Amino acid sequence: AQSVTQPDIHITVSEGASLELRCNYSYGATPYLFWYVQSPGQGLQLLLKYFSGDTLVQGIKGFEAEFKRSQSSFNLRKPSVHWSDAAEYFCAVAPGSYIPTFGRGTSLIVHP
Amino acid sequence: DVKVTQSSRYLVKRTGEKVFLECVQDMDHENMFWYRQDPGLGLRLIYFSYDVKMKEKGDIPEGYSVSREKKERFSLILESASTNQTSMYLCASSSPRGEAGGTYEQYFGPGTRLTVT
Repeated sequence: AQSVTQPDIHITVSEGASLELRCNYSYGATPYLFWYVQSPGQGLQLLLKYFSGDTLVQGIKGFEAEFKRSQSSFNLRKPSVHWSDAAEYFCAVAPGSYIPTFGRGTSLIVHP
Repeated sequence: DVKVTQSSRYLVKRTGEKVFLECVQDMDHENMFWYRQDPGLGLRLIYFSYDVKMKEKGDIPEGYSVSREKKERFSLILESASTNQTSMYLCASSSPRGEAGGTYEQYFGPGTRLTVT
């Protein structure tokens, strides 16, 4: 069965600093990969997705993610963080079916 | 825009009560899901449905049941609520592969925070 690991439970950055959230997955082939964001008290919103093609994927709100097959990783990045980016971020893997597996999430704290 | 709505944002129920959580989506999606979200545990799948009247157990179905009588509506039922079912409940929908733009991404409702006392 597939699994998803988000090794960082909390990440703290200063506003304007760059951000990288890590995601590693375990699966025999290339799955569909997603990053979602959850603002406090809200549901999850899709930031970006990868299923084939260019391994650098652009998403909404200035986020991007890079798929690295050799490392089984799909890390999320943003060059300059805004205070409004403070939220919970979830990586998810769907291995060729429509039932995704979610990581446990990384909570992003942004200091002014 | 896809919209997934949930009947309540906050709900307080007593132990032993029967609880209904309703979810409606307006994008004609085949697939619908119920998750519960707890701190440190991420999202755990309770049940999902890939068609009307079809349902499949997820990872933690115990104590829950579901109903899908219409394509747009997926209900989660707590037959006899218990305090360990206090949680945030999230509904989601997705379109199956093969449809234009369908790549399994899910669309989530705002969540229902259920407290059982």
